[in-house]
Amino acid sequence: QVQLVQSGAEVKKPGASVKVSCKASGYTFIDFYIHWVRQAPGQGLEWMGWVNTNGGGTNFAQKFRGRVTMTRDTSISTAYMELSRLTYDDTAVYYCVRPDTSGWHYFEYWGQGTLVTVST
Amino acid sequence: EIVVTQSPATLSVSPGERATLSCRASQSVGNNLAWYQQKPGQAPRLLISGTSTRATGVPARFSGSGSGTEFTLTISSLQSEDVGVYYCQQYKNWPPWTFGQGTKVEIK
Repeated sequence: QVQLVQSGAEVKKPGASVKVSCKASGYTFIDFYIHWVRQAPGQGLEWMGWVNTNGGGTNFAQKFRGRVTMTRDTSISTAYMELSRLTYDDTAVYYCVRPDTSGWHYFEYWGQGTLVTVST
Repeated sequence: EIVVTQSPATLSVSPGERATLSCRASQSVGNNLAWYQQKPGQAPRLLISGTSTRATGVPARFSGSGSGTEFTLTISSLQSEDVGVYYCQQYKNWPPWTFGQGTKVEIK
């Protein structure tokens, strides 16, 4: 069965960077993009971007451009999201997401989420 | 960017009663609309895709309808385990993929 297992919670200071990992299993990793979605405390869902797990290309939401990097390591079926210059507003749960099998681009599989807390 | 708006923000329904959640898109998304359920402390879970197709394992009491810009998620007989926040998402025009702000369903 498809599983996305994310790295553990992080506490970072303002101005620092955070890197979250997402290990995929149960399918061929390079056949599907990995998206990242975040959720601030008590708030809704916000799409951040995707990484093409085959070629490595990326696409980011406007508000994150210049501050986010998405990469992957195909040898270990793992995707990464790194966010730099953190502010208090970046405190959120970050989810990696795999789109549907049929190619319609909705979000069928979700990781368990990684809480990133930005605090002094 | 397509803006997705959900109503109401909170819905209180008695057990066994019908719950009706609305989702509106700022422009037509055809039937490229999905619904997700998020229970407290959990990741979102896909409920419905293509406006009305239930995901694997989703009970038949959940149904979706609509097209274009107006969509509805109906829970025909609310159960206690249905408490949570429900999000709709358009996947017609991307990027970006956009979500509604969510409807919180609670037991009256």
